[in-house]
Amino acid sequence: DAKTTQPPSMDCAEGRAANLPCNHSTISGNEYVYWYRQIHSQGPQYIIHGLKNNETNEMASLIITEDRKSSTLILPHATLRDTAVYYCIVRVASHNTNAGKSTFGDGTTLTVKP
Amino acid sequence: SQTIHQWPATLVQPVGSPLSLECTVEGTSNPNLYWYRQAAGRGLQLLFYSVGIGQISSEVPQNLSASRPQDRQFILSSKKLLLSDSGFYLCARNVGRGDGYTFGSGTRLTVV
Repeated sequence: DAKTTQPPSMDCAEGRAANLPCNHSTISGNEYVYWYRQIHSQGPQYIIHGLKNNETNEMASLIITEDRKSSTLILPHATLRDTAVYYCIVRVASHNTNAGKSTFGDGTTLTVKP
Repeated sequence: SQTIHQWPATLVQPVGSPLSLECTVEGTSNPNLYWYRQAAGRGLQLLFYSVGIGQISSEVPQNLSASRPQDRQFILSSKKLLLSDSGFYLCARNVGRGDGYTFGSGTRLTVV
């Protein structure tokens, strides 16, 4: 699986958009970009994923550059409850192969401030 | 429901004692299952993964082992715990193309 690079920490004002970047310059054509977040002492929670098109769901938006070497997770109106560690990973989305495994880096600690 | 059950939530064990952490999953059959460990303030390290009953792949050499006796059961074990085995252990699953991971609530293990 391709490695990802994220800033270790970011701050965001409550109510403002939080834009979390991720670099994945060695991503392969069949690898998806996934985002998860982990609130202290809990298991990570899936947020969103995409291959090459931008994606949006009830939690966030994912913007993937045209060359797919980087992406940005956007939380449109951050709340205090969005304070968490956010992980960006890339992996091949296959079942019954070892390609489904991933390693999570240290992620970005997002702190939403009132 | 793709629920994952992990227990216990916290565990304190002496050095040299055995370990058995169990993870059971609900939902779609034949999921991929994973054991991750997280050190304090760090990311998740993949320890083992399984694509089916009795099929275990180890990612890193270590003092731990894993087994999958049933489709929806994944067990992490050790015969003799080391201090370095302390950490937050997470079980995860995924099924199908494009499916993200679903994580359990984790077990925080402290070896003393």
